[in-house]
Amino acid sequence: AQKVTQAQTEISVVEKEDVTLDCVYETRDTTYYLFWYKQPPSGELVFLIRRNSFDEQNEISGRYSWNFQKSTSSFNFTITASQVVDSAVYFCALTRFVTGNQFYFGTGTSLTVIP
Amino acid sequence: SAVISQKPSRDICQRGTSLTIQCQVDSQVTMMFWYRQQPGQSLTLIATANQGSEATYESGFVIDKFPISRPNLTFSTLTVSNMSPEDSSIYLCSAGIGGLTYNEQFFGPGTRLTVL
Repeated sequence: AQKVTQAQTEISVVEKEDVTLDCVYETRDTTYYLFWYKQPPSGELVFLIRRNSFDEQNEISGRYSWNFQKSTSSFNFTITASQVVDSAVYFCALTRFVTGNQFYFGTGTSLTVIP
Repeated sequence: SAVISQKPSRDICQRGTSLTIQCQVDSQVTMMFWYRQQPGQSLTLIATANQGSEATYESGFVIDKFPISRPNLTFSTLTVSNMSPEDSSIYLCSAGIGGLTYNEQFFGPGTRLTVL
């Protein structure tokens, strides 16, 4: 069975602080994809990143960085120098390669950046 | 990339009525998905909408309650039938882009449903 766990329900940081959002996943598949989505108060889901299970290189995009470690089944997301606009709910998700490709979402982490 | 639109964006409905939500994709896609997000919760997959065949429902969701149509490769509808206040949620559709591996999956803006 597929499962994604985001243990941090809510996080508050002061603007310009760095923050890391944790994501731990479970799957027996050898091929899968991991995603992060941002859901601002307006409600739409904004795609942030996709990573396949064969690529463990860390990725940096501006203030965002992702640390994928298969050994610990984790795919953590770090925001550097946080800004108020980063306030949102962030979801980590897993899709199977084999069938369906439906998403298995974590429960989300609500991030509040305080000015 | 793909642009996905949904109608209506929000609605307030009376108990016992039904609402049909439309999802339009600006390109042809093989698979479309319908999710529900209850207040303060994560997204839960309702069903996979396959073009040319019956939708595939996840455990806990049934066709009588959530009938789905997929008449072509760019459009799908989800009906929430015989609504109760427990159906108050955001309903989102998504489409898998990029062939079999679905390099990205895009989501519509969601339909906020309130049932009184």
